[in-house]
Amino acid sequence: ILNVEQSPQSLHVQEGDSTNFTCSFPSSNFYALHWYRWETAKSPEALFVMTLNGDEKKKGRISATLNTKEGYSYLYIKGSQPEDSATYLCALGGGADGLTFGKGTHLIIQP
Amino acid sequence: DAGVIQSPRHEVTEMGQEVTLRCKPISGHDYLFWYRQTMMRGLELLIYFNNNVPIDDSGMPEDRFSAKMPNASFSTLKIQPSEPRDSAVYFCASSTRQGYSIGNQPQHFGDGTRLSIL
Repeated sequence: ILNVEQSPQSLHVQEGDSTNFTCSFPSSNFYALHWYRWETAKSPEALFVMTLNGDEKKKGRISATLNTKEGYSYLYIKGSQPEDSATYLCALGGGADGLTFGKGTHLIIQP
Repeated sequence: DAGVIQSPRHEVTEMGQEVTLRCKPISGHDYLFWYRQTMMRGLELLIYFNNNVPIDDSGMPEDRFSAKMPNASFSTLKIQPSEPRDSAVYFCASSTRQGYSIGNQPQHFGDGTRLSIL
């Protein structure tokens, strides 16, 4: 059973501040790392899929990095806005499997 | 383009009743996944299909749960008989390999079915 840990569980950030949170996973047998954004009453939406050690991906003010050797990924949000409030999920993808999700980081942007 | 469509959005029923959840994947996607979201366990994979064939059902909690995919555009998840501990949000997702492994392809989720068993 893969163990995907996310921290912190929840986070309150002032509008305009930058923030980041972590996803940790077993570094052996790594295949792919996914990040999803999940807004309340909506469906999870894919942000990034990363496969290579040292990968960095960016979408607007959101970016992510991957370290497969030490088993972690960071998600960064620059200049947080109220619309960034959501739960951010990371998940491990296997070669032929469905995804194993962490429990998410619940982000609240305070005006 | 239509995304993954799930029905119903909400279901409230009494313990012991049969519950059927439905999913229509994105056209052209050859992988379909069923997940369950609970506060305690987060988002868990129940079962997934490739080309309508169940590949891994090890996440299905009990024999009371069954899933079918009779064709490429429709899948059902059935619970019979239902119990209060089955109350959760059930998500369906679809994806396609596009020549790569499915593990590194993003999944597209439906809006979920919020199930309450009284």
